[in-house]
Parts: sequence; C-alpha cells; structure tokens
Amino acid sequence: GENVEQHPSTLSVQEGDSAVIKCTYSDSASNYFPWYKQELGKRPQLIIDIRSNVGEKKDQRIAVTLNKTAKHFSLHITETQPEDSAVYFCAASAGGTSYGKLTFGQGTILTVHP
Amino acid sequence: GAVVSQHPSWVICKSGTSVKIECRSLDFQATTMFWYRQFPKQSLMLMATSNEGSKATYEQGVEKDKFLINHASLTLSTLTVTSAHPEDSSFYICSATDPTGANYGYTFGSGTRLTVV
Repeated sequence: GENVEQHPSTLSVQEGDSAVIKCTYSDSASNYFPWYKQELGKRPQLIIDIRSNVGEKKDQRIAVTLNKTAKHFSLHITETQPEDSAVYFCAASAGGTSYGKLTFGQGTILTVHP
Repeated sequence: GAVVSQHPSWVICKSGTSVKIECRSLDFQATTMFWYRQFPKQSLMLMATSNEGSKATYEQGVEKDKFLINHASLTLSTLTVTSAHPEDSSFYICSATDPTGANYGYTFGSGTRLTVV
C-alpha cells in the first residue's frame, strides 16, 4: 500500500518568513495530493491540492510543487502569519479502486511567532 | 458544495459499553464513505471503507468485530465501537466521496471525540 513520509515534524518561523513542508510517497499510482490544515479538535481543512498532471499550483500565499519522478511534493507558505499556526498534513490518493482513500503523512506542527 | 454531517461531535462512555457514530452526506449520495481514527498528536489513519449495500473493507490491524460499520443507505454510514475501552479513546472522522467531483470527492465530517472512562 501507499506510504507517505512528511518532514519536518515541527517547524518554527518568524512572522513574514516562508515555511516549507516536504512529503514523499511510495505508490506510483497515486495521482492526487492534497494538503490539509488542522486546528485542535477540528476536521482537516483542505488548503490546496495538486494532481499528477500538474507540476505546480499556487493560491495566494500558498503553493504546492510535485515531482512525480522523485515521488515528492512540497507545500510552500510565504509571508507567514500567526494565524497560519496549526498542524499541516499532506496526503496521497490513487484513482481506480482506491478512489477516495487518503493516506496521510505524519503531520507538521507549524508555529509562526509574531 | 458537498456537506458531510457527523454526530455526535463528542461522547463520553463507560468502559464496556458501545457507542454509535453517524456520518451523513447531506446534499449528495455517497456510495463510499471512509472512517479514519486520529489519536492525540498523531496523524489520521484509515480504519475502513464503507460501501453502500455491502460489507465494509477494513484496513490491516483494525478489528472488524469491534468496529462495526453499516452503510445501509446512500446517505448514511454508521460506525459502532463495541465494548469500548480507554484505549479506544480517539478522534473519529468520516469522509465521503462526492460523485460530482467537488474537492475531488473528499469531504470530511466534523469528527467525533470519543472518551472512554
């Protein structure tokens, strides 16, 4: 089955700095890679996603890059703000019989200091 | 957009009792739903895939007799934690595939915090 590794487990930055979180996956059949932000006790919130036919996607301060050959994808947050502090999860999913099934990374606790 | 409702949002039960958690798709029919478990400070782990009208598919290491899943209609899946014990205390969250393709099919419920005392 799919295995997703996420690094770092914790990330501390100053407000205004950039933050980068990296993930690798093992299943070459995976074709959908979402990133979630989760606040304590709440459901994961989709912040950006990318599909395997795209190498990069950007939405305001957030961007995701995908390298299918190397099987890794990264989340980039620029101009970080204290409200960006949360736990971030990457995930991977394949189509076909695995459609809808997500394998999550271990999570990254992001702390943005004012 | 697609909405998934999950109830209850939190529950406290005594050890040895059973707890039922409901997951409903409100504005779409979900032929498949997924149940995840998240222990404190850990990631979400898929427990099982719930298929409407057929038996659920459980991930390796998940006891099917302990975590009963029923998906009797296209809008409702239930997870029953039977004979709950303190080690079952966790955050349980469901997701459903949206056939319209919104969010590429992944819509999460609000989660259920289960505490077994």
